[in-house]
Amino acid sequence: KQEVTQIPAALSVPEGENLVLNCSFTDSAIYNLQWFRQDPGKGLTSLLLIQSSQREQTSGRLNASLDKSSGRSTLYIAASQPGDSATYLCAVILTSGTYKYIFGTGTRLKVLA
Amino acid sequence: NAGVTQTPKFRVLKTGQSMTLLCAQDMNHEYMYWYRQDPGMGLRLIHYSVGEGTTAKGEVPDGYNVSRLKKQNFLLGLESAAPSQTSVYFCASSSPSSYGYTFGSGTRLTVV
Repeated sequence: KQEVTQIPAALSVPEGENLVLNCSFTDSAIYNLQWFRQDPGKGLTSLLLIQSSQREQTSGRLNASLDKSSGRSTLYIAASQPGDSATYLCAVILTSGTYKYIFGTGTRLKVLA
Repeated sequence: NAGVTQTPKFRVLKTGQSMTLLCAQDMNHEYMYWYRQDPGMGLRLIHYSVGEGTTAKGEVPDGYNVSRLKKQNFLLGLESAAPSQTSVYFCASSSPSSYGYTFGSGTRLTVV
């Protein structure tokens, strides 16, 4: 059974710091990995989608990498800002045609001004 | 704006009452999903659909029913609400070409 783990569960950093969020998964036979952001009381916003044939995706100050062989993905946030404060979730979908994402429990990030 | 729309956004039910949550998407996505999100438990899949007229059970289907009569709509029903169904419900959709999810903004349901 695929399990997705995000460590740490919570993180506080000063503004301007570069940071890395981690996502681990147990089954390397994934089709996609997607990173989401969730603000308190809000829905999930897609940040980056990495397909299995890709190793990384970039959007602005965000860079996500994927290493299927080690079962890991990282989300790199450059020059963090207070507006980046949110919960970040990763999710994977298997290649077995299950159509369903399996979510990690998220990392709650707080960027201090 | 294209996307996933959920109605209602908030609802309070009494135990035993029934209700239907509506999810509508205008992206012509084949796949649609209903999740619930609870503190400390993450997102858990309730039911999903891979096409019009088809539905399947997810991780936590008990107490819920779904229907997908039209491709753009996915309905989640609670026949007899229980306090354990107090949660935030999210709908999502995706296409076979990428499987990337687009989420609705959620429905906050309280059962008293």
